[in-house]
Amino acid sequence: DTGVSQDPRHKITKRGQNVTFRCDPISEHNRLYWYRQTLGQGPEFLTYFQNEAQLEKSRLLSDRFSAERPKGSFSTLEIQRTEQGDSAMYLCASWIPEAGYTFGSGTRLTVV
Amino acid sequence: RKEVEQDPGPFNVPEGATVAFNCTYSNSASQSFFWYRQDCRKEPKLLMSVYSSGNEDGRFTAQLNRASQYISLLIRDSKLSDSATYLCVVNIGNFNKFYFGSGTKLNVKP
Repeated sequence: DTGVSQDPRHKITKRGQNVTFRCDPISEHNRLYWYRQTLGQGPEFLTYFQNEAQLEKSRLLSDRFSAERPKGSFSTLEIQRTEQGDSAMYLCASWIPEAGYTFGSGTRLTVV
Repeated sequence: RKEVEQDPGPFNVPEGATVAFNCTYSNSASQSFFWYRQDCRKEPKLLMSVYSSGNEDGRFTAQLNRASQYISLLIRDSKLSDSATYLCVVNIGNFNKFYFGSGTKLNVKP
């Protein structure tokens, strides 16, 4: 148990459908990150939150992607009108200076 | 040029060998550096932070060379369980965003 929970673990969806992922970070960690990882690559930064405020978004996060963190607790990442290129592992992490990132187990998305 | 670059490997070494990985970064203003380990189909996990003075944790030694803008990871007396992908992580520009290298794959053979 890493302390960061992600749900679902796996998601298979048809192209054009919308999907939503959830992340529950470690409760005392204010900073929450979303990363995307494809095979053979390192995680790529998508966005991060400081409490409920979304402070930065990557250019990778197109208009089809939206992330929220209401009340500064759990976060959701939604992808609208999924494309095959969205297939990847979506990783959530909470962060504190003393411990660096603590990642969740990720949500593996397959768009068919 | 990528912000963080690593040799993808794989590095195939026998048990007991010493192996070293390098990671170069592009932004001279970077301040924080880490090594993460990722097992196949698992999430990355923090292996160690990299301090300016260099640091050691058991069989693992991390070093930072600011002049040449690279960090290194040395693994002594390799174990089968060290087989994994090693990711270097560097903050770029501001302290809030970190970039990952693509990882270096290590295979330790009996």
